[in-house]
Amino acid sequence: DAKTTQPPSMDCAEGRAANLPCNHSTISGNEYVYWYRQIHSQGPQYIIHGLKNNETNEMASLIITEDRKSSTLILPHATLRDTAVYYCIPWDRDTGRRALTFGSGTRLQVQP
Amino acid sequence: KAGVTQTPRYLIKTRGQQVTLSCSPISGHRSVSWYQQTPGQGLQFLFEYFSETQRNKGNFPGRFSGRQFSNSRSEMNVSTLELGDSALYLCASSPEGQLNTGELFFGEGSRLTVL
Repeated sequence: DAKTTQPPSMDCAEGRAANLPCNHSTISGNEYVYWYRQIHSQGPQYIIHGLKNNETNEMASLIITEDRKSSTLILPHATLRDTAVYYCIPWDRDTGRRALTFGSGTRLQVQP
Repeated sequence: KAGVTQTPRYLIKTRGQQVTLSCSPISGHRSVSWYQQTPGQGLQFLFEYFSETQRNKGNFPGRFSGRQFSNSRSEMNVSTLELGDSALYLCASSPEGQLNTGELFFGEGSRLTVL
């Protein structure tokens, strides 16, 4: 599995965009980039995933660099409820192996 | 649609005892996986079951075991509990086939404290 590097913590003002970077320079061609978040003491929650194109859904946008070695999760208008630990996870979903490797993630603190 | 349900939510055991945790996946999901979360090691994959068979296994000792029933419900068991087994145990389910986007749906977890 590809290793990831994420900043341990970030702050963001409420209402502003939160940009969370992730380095995954050893990602393989078959691995998608998945993002999950975990709000304190709850189970992780899926946010978004992508392979090489940028993706957007109702929660966030995902920007993947052309060489696929890094990506950025964007929360366009952060709210206090977005305070959580965010995990970037490269994963080959087509192997049938449902074994995610969670790193340390980024603890995002949204400030009022 | 009901989410992933884990029981019990909280439990306290003493060293040497054993514990069984239960997970009911989302209706129609046939894959169930288990994770352990501790402050020191973070979230770690334990094992995954599909169609009553263990499909993948993480790097945990044999004291950790699991099973899946024909209705896809799963249980995990930890025998001879150690203090280090104190953790949040999370279960996740996912669909197969065309519905599989790779998204895992996690439950709220079972928090085990070993005294």
